[in-house]
Amino acid sequence: NAGVTQTPKFRVLKTGQSMTLLCAQDMNHEYMYWYRQDPGMGLRLIHYSVGEGTTAKGEVPDGYNVSRLKKQNFLLGLESAAPSQTSVYFCASSYSLLSLAGDPYNEQFFGPGTRLTVL
Amino acid sequence: AQSVAQPEDQVNVAEGNPLTVKCTYSVSGNPYLFWYVQYPNRGLQFLLKYITGDNLVKGSYGFEAEFNKSQTSFHLKKPSALVSDSALYFCAVRPKYGFNKFYFGSGTKLNVKP
Repeated sequence: NAGVTQTPKFRVLKTGQSMTLLCAQDMNHEYMYWYRQDPGMGLRLIHYSVGEGTTAKGEVPDGYNVSRLKKQNFLLGLESAAPSQTSVYFCASSYSLLSLAGDPYNEQFFGPGTRLTVL
Repeated sequence: AQSVAQPEDQVNVAEGNPLTVKCTYSVSGNPYLFWYVQYPNRGLQFLLKYITGDNLVKGSYGFEAEFNKSQTSFHLKKPSALVSDSALYFCAVRPKYGFNKFYFGSGTKLNVKP
């Protein structure tokens, strides 16, 4: 049981290049998330998905696109990378999104991160 | 606006001494509270959470956290720090109902010196 995995671990891009970050989870979680982590700012939500074939915008979605073609995978794309997108990117998953019944057992499980540098 | 504050960027403590990492929050509706730890070049790992009940929550690696509703705080504590506890600690808050969005603090770097 690998949990949440991310590829690649590191990447250096030039401004204007494109790339895709892959997140995979083997816990059969419905919900997946992409965050970026910047010094002094904690984690900020980029996009999330509530299930296969669905995606939605988070706090900082501009410049990113996502796709969830399979339940276990959540892809984050940068179409035209900018230096402002230099960051560490974390994927997370959880088994429940809506807490209508006050479900307390709903922690998020995180991948190891992808360190992206845009020159 | 919903927010989580970790007022200290860095906490330094000697091995064997008690440690406290502070967290306060402004999230409506009696949220759930979490602490995560991040070791260098690793993802975030869950430490503990407060759901309801006893204000003192015990978690992994000997950590505990104290919930104070009146002060809207959830401080992380450990009676005796280890050098291996040196890491980045994040407080996170999740509203009890509705979208499962986590609000993260900015993180506190804990340095435990031998």
